[in-house]
Amino acid sequence: GQQLNQSPQSMFIQEGEDVSMNCTSSSIFNTWLWYKQDPGEGPVLLIALYKAGELTSNGRLTAQFGITRKDSFLNISASIPSDVGIYFCAGPPGSARQLTFGSGTQLTVLP
Amino acid sequence: GAGVSQSPSNKVTEKGKDVELRCDPISGHTALYWYRQSLGQGLEFLIYFQGNSAPDKSGLPSDRFSAERTGGSVSTLTIQRTQQEDSAVYLCASSPDPGPYEKLFFGSGTQLSVL
Repeated sequence: GQQLNQSPQSMFIQEGEDVSMNCTSSSIFNTWLWYKQDPGEGPVLLIALYKAGELTSNGRLTAQFGITRKDSFLNISASIPSDVGIYFCAGPPGSARQLTFGSGTQLTVLP
Repeated sequence: GAGVSQSPSNKVTEKGKDVELRCDPISGHTALYWYRQSLGQGLEFLIYFQGNSAPDKSGLPSDRFSAERTGGSVSTLTIQRTQQEDSAVYLCASSPDPGPYEKLFFGSGTQLSVL
């Protein structure tokens, strides 16, 4: 089936630094989603992107839907300790409603 | 409650035993999904229920896995003759359908450990 390649797998950054992670696919996605998962919890939606080229912000988070519809990236500016967690990209393949997820980026913020 | 509720939160079982995992979706949500998350991995789709339509079972890994949704509300995921590779977090999600992904919410999952 379709796969989403997410990188990096893990990141260790200093508090206050900016972070960037990305996701690529071999096939077109018409929706890109970015989730955050805290330990022992389910993923929570951060940003949804529905249009190629779209750039959307949610506070310190900014995500872009790649113009080719085969990639997306998420930026976090001025990281803080509560940004720690696992970040996933996701999207529905074709006309399906269920989501395909990337393998996640584990973010650690050092004080 | 207001969110998706899953029980039990943790389940330890012996290889070969059957287990049942329960999901209570958000009231009024017609779509319900089950995903599996193995350690250090992303979520893997298992099954999707939408209203009274036949469920999409395309993600179930083997015939040991089955799920039902009674009365369009509560869902139960059953794993028969559990194997060690079944150990994972099983997540349930619900949403209005059709509906934007902003309305898709996940439960906290059931951590299944097969010894």
